[in-house]
Amino acid sequence: DIQMTQSPSSVSASVGDRVTITCRASQGISSWLAWYQQKPGQAPKLLIYAATSLQSGVPSRFSGSGSGTDFTLTISSLQPEDFATYYCQQANRFPITFGQGTRLEIK
Amino acid sequence: QEQLVQSGAEVKKPGASVKVSCQTPGYTFTGHFFHWVRQAPGQGLEWMGWINPNSGGTNYAQNFQGRVTMTRDTTIGAVYMELSSLKSDDTAVYYCAREKEGEPFFAFWGQGTLVTVSS
Repeated sequence: DIQMTQSPSSVSASVGDRVTITCRASQGISSWLAWYQQKPGQAPKLLIYAATSLQSGVPSRFSGSGSGTDFTLTISSLQPEDFATYYCQQANRFPITFGQGTRLEIK
Repeated sequence: QEQLVQSGAEVKKPGASVKVSCQTPGYTFTGHFFHWVRQAPGQGLEWMGWINPNSGGTNYAQNFQGRVTMTRDTTIGAVYMELSSLKSDDTAVYYCAREKEGEPFFAFWGQGTLVTVSS
């Protein structure tokens, strides 16, 4: 199975900050990567797919980069509604696997 | 915005089975696969498998082989996930999710179904 490792596990930031979350795959996955946002009591929400493509309706302050084994999710200017847990997911090979999550907290 | 509607919470005893449904009112299967993902309390996301709603073909994660069965009812546009031989660590929220345009990125999610396994 492909292991997905996110860092950091948690981060504290303020409204307006720029935040970067990284995800590393245990083997190359080309651009078969997605990012999700999950708030307590809610289902995950797709933000980025194919490593860099912004899902329809997602604000442009979210962006994704990377290919191969190393990927990044960037939030350019944090808004109050962005405080949540973020997961990466590889879709290159079954079984589909997720990172362990990064909790984004208010400083 | 397409909405997947799942069945309600369940409480089961160890060794029992549970069947969770997932339906999109008014939806006609287009061939995009449905997946099941679960999340134990306070934990991350775990993929369980997919079902092709047109053919009924399935692919299950090895962790669930022999215990999970995914089916569909094309007449009402519903998919189902049945998990047998339940254990306490099967306590989780179970989500159905539909692929985006034939790629295994999950653009549409159900609201989740809490399954509690307790004696």
